[in-house]
Amino acid sequence: QQPVQSPQAVILREGEDAVINCSSSKALYSVHWYRQKHGEAPIFLMILLKGGEQKGHDKISASFNEKKQQSSLYLTASQLSYSGTYFCGTEEVTGNQFYFGTGTSLTVIP
Amino acid sequence: DTGVSQDPRHKITKRGQNVTFRCDPISEHNRLYWYRQTLGQGPEFLTYFQNEAQLEKSRLLSDRFSAERPKGSFSTLEIQRTEQGDSAMYLCASNLGGRSTGELFFGEGSRLTVL
Repeated sequence: QQPVQSPQAVILREGEDAVINCSSSKALYSVHWYRQKHGEAPIFLMILLKGGEQKGHDKISASFNEKKQQSSLYLTASQLSYSGTYFCGTEEVTGNQFYFGTGTSLTVIP
Repeated sequence: DTGVSQDPRHKITKRGQNVTFRCDPISEHNRLYWYRQTLGQGPEFLTYFQNEAQLEKSRLLSDRFSAERPKGSFSTLEIQRTEQGDSAMYLCASNLGGRSTGELFFGEGSRLTVL
């Protein structure tokens, strides 16, 4: 079941913050976050396995609320290199197939 | 091993022709996934393998699509009687598998254009 992301698109100035949300209708075992730049393959950012878990990588962090089947990606003090399309990926409790979300286009401008 | 490789990178074909894509995963990876991605959309799950066993096929995968992974190494995705709606990027990804999916490593993709 494809998770739904919001917003669909966001434009930021360098240094601003953004939050991207991912929501599933199914019980989730894990949530991944990937970034894809135009014409390139998706690149892994992080995985969250436990309910309420938070992880961080540089100025990018994420949380996972397994009870609500939701995850959020937080980008703080955005840099030009953060531009791209962000996808969440979800692994459902009942299976091992892996579904990607609808995507959020992020553009950081000087 | 430098990563997941896919071949060909680009394929242009006429409607009605058959095409085959190949994916070579990272050598120790047990699990291999195929996705289809169209412009502005997220990767759409097609199928996945655990070693040589095909464990799941998306309902989106019509009977014109077939995938196999003989000997649990490389995989092929064949599309028969291509239609213009099949035009997309076909992405292959692999990982170690196990209960937790773990990071997916993607190939560069095979872009199909059906005229």
